Amino acid sequence: GQQLNQSPQSMFIQEGEDVSMNCTSSSIFNTWLWYKQDPGEGPVLLIALYKAGELTSNGRLTAQFGITRKDSFLNISASIPSDVGIYFCAGHRMNRDDKIIFGKGTRLHILP
Amino acid sequence: GAVVSQHPSWVICKSGTSVKIECRSLDFQATTMFWYRQFPKQSLMLMATSNEGSKATYEQGVEKDKFLINHASLTLSTLTVTSAHPEDSSFYICSAPGQINQPQHFGDGTRLSIL
Repeated sequence: GQQLNQSPQSMFIQEGEDVSMNCTSSSIFNTWLWYKQDPGEGPVLLIALYKAGELTSNGRLTAQFGITRKDSFLNISASIPSDVGIYFCAGHRMNRDDKIIFGKGTRLHILP
Repeated sequence: GAVVSQHPSWVICKSGTSVKIECRSLDFQATTMFWYRQFPKQSLMLMATSNEGSKATYEQGVEKDKFLINHASLTLSTLTVTSAHPEDSSFYICSAPGQINQPQHFGDGTRLSIL
C-alpha cells in the first residue's frame, strides 16, 4: 500500500536546539498533516497544509508543503522538554472522508 | 475539549473473550469513522473505514470476521475484537473527519491487553 518515508526515525537533542524532520512520498497528496502523539494518547494535530508551497507556523513549529506535493518538513525551534514525543507526518488525498496515510514517526528525545 | 470520545481507555481480558470498543463523535455527525491499530514503537495502521448505515471497508490483511465494525448511528461506531488472543494486544485508535481546517479528530485510544 501507499507509504510515507519519514526521517529521521529518532532524534536526541539538547534543550534549546532546533529540530527538523521531513516526509516524502511517491504519490501526490492534496493535504499534508503533522501530528504529535504522547504515550498512551491519540495523535494531536499540530499543523495542516493545504496548498503546494504553503509555509505555515504554529508557535515554535513551522511546516511546509513541498512544491511537488510529494514532501513536507516540520521544524521546531528552541526545543523545550514538553516537545518530547512522537511526531507523525500524514498525507490526505481527496476529501474529508478519505483515509489518512501516516509516516512511521520521528521520536524526539531531549537530553537532560 | 475532546470531540471524539473513545471507550474504554484500557481493557485487560482473558484470551478467547470478545471486546467491544466504542468511538463517539461528541458534537458533530460522522458518516465515516476510521479505526487504526498501533503496536509499540510503530506508526498508526489503518484497519478499516466505518460507514454509517453500510458495511465497513477493511484494509488488506485485516480479518473482517475478527474485527467486527458497526456504525449504527451518525455519532457512534463500534469495533469488536472477537475471540481475542495475545497477538491482538495493541493500542486501538478511532478518528472521525472534522471541519475543513482539521481533517480528522482522533480519540484518545484504547489499550487492549489480552492475557
